[in-house]
Amino acid sequence: DAGVIQSPRHEVTEMGQEVTLRCKPISGHNSLFWYRQTMMRGLELLIYFNNNVPIDDSGMPEDRFSAKMPNASFSTLKIQPSEPRDSAVYFCASSNSNEQFFGPGTRLTVL
Amino acid sequence: AQSVTQLDSHVSVSEGTPVLLRCNYSSSYSPSLFWYVQHPNKGLQLLLKYTSAATLVKGINGFEAEFKKSETSFHLTKPSAHMSDAAEYFCVVSGAGTGRRALTFGSGTRLQVQP
Repeated sequence: DAGVIQSPRHEVTEMGQEVTLRCKPISGHNSLFWYRQTMMRGLELLIYFNNNVPIDDSGMPEDRFSAKMPNASFSTLKIQPSEPRDSAVYFCASSNSNEQFFGPGTRLTVL
Repeated sequence: AQSVTQLDSHVSVSEGTPVLLRCNYSSSYSPSLFWYVQHPNKGLQLLLKYTSAATLVKGINGFEAEFKKSETSFHLTKPSAHMSDAAEYFCVVSGAGTGRRALTFGSGTRLQVQP
């Protein structure tokens, strides 16, 4: 198995632009998680899905952030409009038990 | 509610000496506990996990951790550090038991290994 796949690996954009991060979970996993990692706040859960349904989005910082999971093999995290303070590494993880498998992350820089 | 506290933000050891990374947790339920490692510019890799079986858990790369309920601790140890162990380590508690499967991460401990 290729593991959790995230794209792009790096994204540099200007303030105000829309950013879309993508994640393909491990086949057969029924839960998917989006995390954000910054120096100031460490690793934070943004949202997670179970069987493609959002279960807990209390970590989503603002309405500028939205996440979708249209099917079991794909999820997106969108930021519109982006701001410099959104600069971080965004991780996707998937699970079918209490163990989560993490993707390599997307490093987002908003200028 | 659940939380995890990593008592040291940085730990420095010499190659070949023991490693101890400390973690205390708080949970209203019988927790599942994990240690993850993150090498520079890499994703997170699971080192080991505790899920209410044996209290002494062995993981990859010679690491192990002991669950001590009386002390609410889950410290990570390794008898002899290697240069390749230099990384950031996260102690993590699962929301299992609350219906919430998401993980709560500690703030991380950066391990430096001196030659």
